[in-house]
Amino acid sequence: NAGVTQTPKFQVLKTGQSMTLQCAQDMNHNSMYWYRQDPGMGLRLIYYSASEGTTDKGEVPNGYNVSRLNKREFSLRLESAAPSQTSVYFCASSEVTGFALVFGPGTRLTVL
Amino acid sequence: EDQVTQSPEALRLQEGESSSLNCSYTVSGLRGLFWYRQDPGKGPEFLFTLYSAGEEKEKERLKATLTKKESFLHITAPKPEDSATYLCAVQVNYGQNFVFGPGTRLSVLP
Repeated sequence: NAGVTQTPKFQVLKTGQSMTLQCAQDMNHNSMYWYRQDPGMGLRLIYYSASEGTTDKGEVPNGYNVSRLNKREFSLRLESAAPSQTSVYFCASSEVTGFALVFGPGTRLTVL
Repeated sequence: EDQVTQSPEALRLQEGESSSLNCSYTVSGLRGLFWYRQDPGKGPEFLFTLYSAGEEKEKERLKATLTKKESFLHITAPKPEDSATYLCAVQVNYGQNFVFGPGTRLSVLP
């Protein structure tokens, strides 16, 4: 049981480049989330998927897109990276929305 | 605006020196309060959920309590392995939205 896995672990981009962060869970959870964590600030929700086939914006969705590929996988795409998107990105899942979150190990992204 | 604050920002304790971390919240409707532990370079790990004022939960050296305006995480006789950042989060609407506090960074010295 791997829980929540994320790839890559680290990434450096130049301004304007695009990339996709991958996330998968093997717990048969219905809900999946993408958060970013910045120093001195709490985790902030970017997008979430309450169930397979649905996605919704969170607190800070600008500059991001998501895809719920199937029940296991939820990807986050940066179409044109900006330095303000330098952050640590966490994927999380829960059995249903509102239940405790299980987090992945994170992706540390630097945009130059 | 829904808001969660945590204090202190950082706390250094000697091994065995008990203390408490605070999580204060102003939200439009509390559905649940969650505590997580985060080790450096890792994702947060779930500890407790509290749903109503007066509720308490315990796990090893940790005990979480909840009032109408705040929650405390009491650490009794801490050990160096308790060193971590402790995050609290409030569920404000049934469903997707958790508001996280910035965390308290705890260091327990041997």
